[in-house]
Amino acid sequence: KAGVTQTPRYLIKTRGQQVTLSCSPISGHRSVSWYQQTPGQGLQFLFEYFSETQRNKGNFPGRFSGRQFSNSRSEMNVSTLELGDSALYLCASSLGGSGSYNEQFFGPGTRLTVL
Amino acid sequence: AQSVTQLDSQVPVFEEAPVELRCNYSSSVSVYLFWYVQYPNQGLQLLLKYLSGSTLVESINGFEAEFNKSQTSFHLRKPSVHISDTAEYFCAVGTDSWGKLQFGAGTQVVVTP
Repeated sequence: KAGVTQTPRYLIKTRGQQVTLSCSPISGHRSVSWYQQTPGQGLQFLFEYFSETQRNKGNFPGRFSGRQFSNSRSEMNVSTLELGDSALYLCASSLGGSGSYNEQFFGPGTRLTVL
Repeated sequence: AQSVTQLDSQVPVFEEAPVELRCNYSSSVSVYLFWYVQYPNQGLQLLLKYLSGSTLVESINGFEAEFNKSQTSFHLRKPSVHISDTAEYFCAVGTDSWGKLQFGAGTQVVVTP
């Protein structure tokens, strides 16, 4: 099975612009979670989507949004970019069902640099 | 709310020496516990996990971790490290089956010959 893929791997934007990052989960996985990784704040949970619905959300401003498509692929969008949005954005996929724990598999990340 | 504390930000260790990475957590509910490893310019790889059952869990590459409920700890150990173990290690806590994880700040392990 192919792993979690994220595109693009690297991205450079300027302040005020918006950006869209894409995540394709492992085949059969219905849940996609997004995390932001920065040297100062570490790894922080952004949100999780399951069957096209946001099921869980972290403490990020409304500039950060996401969506999930019927094929489980997910995108996250950041509008009005700030310098502090520079980070590695990781997505993780899992089967997503309730009950027993669903192991998450992480993609390689998208490195966003805001100038 | 839960929190995860990794007590060491960096651990230098010589090749073939043992290493222990410390992780403590706080939570008002039952938790799932994980150790992830991150190599430079890569995503996170699951090293091992505690979901329930035996409190000692092992990975295929020689790492082990022990869940201690009374001390709310999940320390990671390896009896003999290799150069290839140089990486950043993250302890994480989950409280539901849906996958939201709370991560520690990470411990950078640097293995030297």
